[in-house]
Amino acid sequence: QQQVRQSPQSLTVWEGETAILNCSYENSAFDYFPWYQQFPGEGPALLISILSVSDKKEDGRFTIFFNKREKKLSLHIADSQPGDSATYFCAANTNAYKVIFGKGTHLHVLP
Amino acid sequence: GALVYQYPRRTICKSGTSMRMECQAVGFQATSVAWYRQSPQKTFELIALSTVNSAIKYEQNFTQEKFPISHPNLSFSSMTVLNAYLEDRGLYLCGAGTGQAPLFGEGTRLSVL
Repeated sequence: QQQVRQSPQSLTVWEGETAILNCSYENSAFDYFPWYQQFPGEGPALLISILSVSDKKEDGRFTIFFNKREKKLSLHIADSQPGDSATYFCAANTNAYKVIFGKGTHLHVLP
Repeated sequence: GALVYQYPRRTICKSGTSMRMECQAVGFQATSVAWYRQSPQKTFELIALSTVNSAIKYEQNFTQEKFPISHPNLSFSSMTVLNAYLEDRGLYLCGAGTGQAPLFGEGTRLSVL
């Protein structure tokens, strides 16, 4: 059973557009949602995260929108740049340290 | 700054042999260390989670007999892949944390011949 689902699997946008990456989860006990960015050949790097008590978190061009009632969240990347091309993982956990990952969205930003 | 260092970055072993990989937390003390395997399709599988003052907990399909883990202090952990076979190939990631979002190393990529 996939506890954290991501869509789309792959996304292509033009430079300057806003990329929207979606995530949903099953377990109501999840209360913390980090997003990781991974480039080929590297480990995942923490990009931005949100607690379930919030409905929005911004950090520069990256914004998380969170809907607790629907168990959905999304990562918006504004003014997308070719350097943002990477795989983005939505993850979820509780205070129990165990982090569950989605299968990722592969983002291509075309110049 | 805080970072996680994994060694080696890449390793190749013969089928049936074993290899050990290491994880070092630099700039912080990791109260938890999780070992993951990332498949070529990018899917993450949690192998085991080690937290301070608790026994190492292995996930379903992963055992201590196959993936023994050592976590002697808050800065270091190691994991061995015993009797490696083709299905053990992948990128092994160490996630070390003090709270909710672990920091990951670059991983150890295991190839099995």
